[in-house]
Amino acid sequence: NAGVMQNPRHLVRRRGQEARLRCSPMKGHSHVYWYRQLPEEGLKFMVYLQKENIIDESGMPKERFSAEFPKEGPSILRIQQVVRGDSAAYFCASSPGRGRETEAFFGQGTRLTVV
Amino acid sequence: GNSVTQMEGPVTLSEEAFLTINCTYTATGYPSLFWYVQYPGEGLQLLLKATKADDKGSNKGFEATYRKETTSFHLEKGSVQVSDSAVYFCAPNTGNQFYFGTGTSLTVIP
Repeated sequence: NAGVMQNPRHLVRRRGQEARLRCSPMKGHSHVYWYRQLPEEGLKFMVYLQKENIIDESGMPKERFSAEFPKEGPSILRIQQVVRGDSAAYFCASSPGRGRETEAFFGQGTRLTVV
Repeated sequence: GNSVTQMEGPVTLSEEAFLTINCTYTATGYPSLFWYVQYPGEGLQLLLKATKADDKGSNKGFEATYRKETTSFHLEKGSVQVSDSAVYFCAPNTGNQFYFGTGTSLTVIP
């Protein structure tokens, strides 16, 4: 049973380009979370999605960032017109349901570098 | 609001030393409490959890007790090993999302 798969592991983009980060949750998991980790900082919540729905996007920047989790296929975090400050590690986590006792399983992250 | 405060690192210990990493939190509702560990270049892995007051989570020699009265969930290990070198995150879960602290980096030297 494969874990949470993120790709690519490393992504380099020039300023102004678009970055697409993919996350395939564990089999049977319908809930996905995205977090951003800046160097020397903790994980910052970005968005929580269920299949075809955004449940909580309170951590998403208002501009340039969007996320989706379609009925079929992986969850996508999209960053348009990237800037140097977007350089970070982006982690996806999935869970089988929603609830305070539910464990989240993390992928290995995508490390985005904007040059 | 919801937040987590962890003791600042980095923490450096000699092998077989006793470890304590403090964690206090504020949360709406009644969260479950988790400790996650992140090894270099990897994602986070669940270390242990506790779902109600006075519960003790334990795994791989690590322990933490859910203290509702002090809103704390301190991580302890009696004898650390070099392989325990990692970043440790305390994370309450209110049901909507996990709130992560800044993480505490631990280095264990032989």
